[in-house]
Amino acid sequence: QKEVEQDPGPLSVPEGAIVSLNCTYSNSAFQYFMWYRQYSRKGPELLMYTYSSGNKEDGRFTAQVDKSSKYISLFIRDSQPSDSATYLCAMISGGYNKLIFGAGTRLAVHP
Amino acid sequence: DAGVTQSPTHLIKTRGQQVTLRCSPISGHKSVSWYQQVLGQGPQFIFQYYEKEERGRGNFPDRFSARQFPNYSSELNVNALLLGDSALYLCASSLVFQTSSYEQYFGPGTRLTVT
Repeated sequence: QKEVEQDPGPLSVPEGAIVSLNCTYSNSAFQYFMWYRQYSRKGPELLMYTYSSGNKEDGRFTAQVDKSSKYISLFIRDSQPSDSATYLCAMISGGYNKLIFGAGTRLAVHP
Repeated sequence: DAGVTQSPTHLIKTRGQQVTLRCSPISGHKSVSWYQQVLGQGPQFIFQYYEKEERGRGNFPDRFSARQFPNYSSELNVNALLLGDSALYLCASSLVFQTSSYEQYFGPGTRLTVT
């Protein structure tokens, strides 16, 4: 079993839709949770990070962490074609900062 | 401000050859990590360096090695290349080596093809 599970998609939505992206994990030691966006043939770009459980909002993006369920989510409101990319969740456990990534979910937002 | 830079952008090598990939971190960042991303998968941790010392190693064979220089730039070396080493190699820099340094910034990567 992988430490971090993420549905690879692809996920196709119309412009303006609310997008929900999710990851589950098995290691209860994870404390920091990140979301990266990766455009084709580019490096991952850090979107948001959250420490422990709770919500964090940044513009159209909201990250949620539920440590009791070992489940994290990224919501994108008013999705735009420019949001079309692969979204990677990543986690860090205490003591060092080796990122553990999910497989990534491919998102396509069509006009 | 310049972000993380990596060279070369693309590389084609033959099985059995050796390759060296280079990374320059964001100015002021002292920690560099290397990741391998195979097509369709998330990045996998290879190494982390801080202040020229190895601080972490992933589950990769000894054919993979790295080092960090006094100016905090880094090189990743892969010997005896296998077809399975074909991947995007990513370098990430962070300010320090601590639990709280979760903000890792990635370069554009070097795409390595082994034939």
